[in-house]
Amino acid sequence: DAGVIQSPRHEVTEMGQEVTLRCKPISGHNSLFWYRQTMMRGLELLIYFNNNVPIDDSGMPEDRFSAKMPNASFSTLKIQPSEPRDSAVYFCASSLALRVAGVLEGTYEQYFGPGTRLTVT
Amino acid sequence: SQKIEQNSEALNIQEGKTATLTCNYTNYSPAYLQWYRQDPGRGPVFLLLIRENEKEKRKERLKVTFDTTLKQSLFHITASQPADSATYLCALGGDFNKFYFGSGTKLNVKP
Repeated sequence: DAGVIQSPRHEVTEMGQEVTLRCKPISGHNSLFWYRQTMMRGLELLIYFNNNVPIDDSGMPEDRFSAKMPNASFSTLKIQPSEPRDSAVYFCASSLALRVAGVLEGTYEQYFGPGTRLTVT
Repeated sequence: SQKIEQNSEALNIQEGKTATLTCNYTNYSPAYLQWYRQDPGRGPVFLLLIRENEKEKRKERLKVTFDTTLKQSLFHITASQPADSATYLCALGGDFNKFYFGSGTKLNVKP
């Protein structure tokens, strides 16, 4: 497997423009996560999906951010309109979540993509 | 809300020594704790998971402890090598498979 694939790897845009980040999770994984990483705030969880359904979007900073997962092999994170403070590295990660009788099975290891470095000028 | 603290200052050690990194947390009772390694320009890579009912977990030169009373996890790398130089992140979870990450500690192993 090629691992988690993200595109683009780098994005430079002007303030006010719409930005769309894309992610292809590892085949067979049922959970997908979007993170944002900055020096000041570290790695922040924005939203996560389980079986293509958004479970928790409490980390999404504001209404300018939206995420979709139309099928098991694709997700997008959209910022509209973008602002300079959105500049960060955005990571997508996927994992296989197995819970049997309420007990975690496995390690819930998250596989991260290479990230998209977003610069908003 | 939960707070996860990792030493923001880099840890500098000599090759061959044991590196010990700390992860402290408050306002949270995680059922699981993970450790990840992150190299510059790359995404984090999973290393170990330890459950709340486990005191210690080992994998090759790595050892993780989890003290739910102290609300602390220690991450040890024995016989450290320059190739171990990276940033190490702890992540706390318990709500389904949602994990909160610390800001990481940078480890520098000098030859």
